[in-house]
Amino acid sequence: DVVLTQTPSILSATIGQSVSISCRSSQSLLDSDGNTYLYWFLQRPGQSPQRLIYLVSNLGSGVPNRFSGSGSGTDFTLKISGVEAEDLGVYYCMQATHAPLTFGSGTKLEIK
Amino acid sequence: QVQLKETGPDLVQLTQTLSITCTVSGFSLTTYNVHWVRQPPGKGLEWMGAMWNGGGTDYNSAFKSRLSISRDTSKSQVFLKMNSLQTDDTAKYFCARHEGTMGSLFDYWGQGVMVTVSS
Repeated sequence: DVVLTQTPSILSATIGQSVSISCRSSQSLLDSDGNTYLYWFLQRPGQSPQRLIYLVSNLGSGVPNRFSGSGSGTDFTLKISGVEAEDLGVYYCMQATHAPLTFGSGTKLEIK
Repeated sequence: QVQLKETGPDLVQLTQTLSITCTVSGFSLTTYNVHWVRQPPGKGLEWMGAMWNGGGTDYNSAFKSRLSISRDTSKSQVFLKMNSLQTDDTAKYFCARHEGTMGSLFDYWGQGVMVTVSS
């Protein structure tokens, strides 16, 4: 199975600060169809995960544009440009290029 | 309005079978796929399997032959059944929608159902 390694595991930020989360894959996530099936989700405390980013860099419906995704191959990044209080929670990357779908272990964002 | 809602038991006995229903509204199971994902308390997410809009299924091999996913399109329901439960199957179980291509996964999730496996 593809292993997704997220760093850091815990991130502490002040309101307005910009932060980045890394997701590194044990295999390239570039599919033979030319797409890279890398997603980012946010799980707020006590809630279900919410899709933020799909196909590396596409913003999900209703997701604020302070969130952005980038990367290719095995290295991917989620950036939050100006953290807001509602952004606290655990962020997961997920890949769907290789079966089975796998998730990263999560990055917990705390607000100072 | 798109909704998914999981219903199932709070508690299941060790070695018994778990049955959870995902009831959907606002979309058709013959157009969209539905996946199952679980999350042990305080831990990360694990993909379990999928019911495809054409009626086929896919499973995470980690669950070997313990897992079965089926559906009743007339009731807009997808079913998860898993046997031989162990204490490490204690988790919140979610269903999530998938539009079609692998580029459109998990735009909507249910609220999840927490299941405890008890000895």
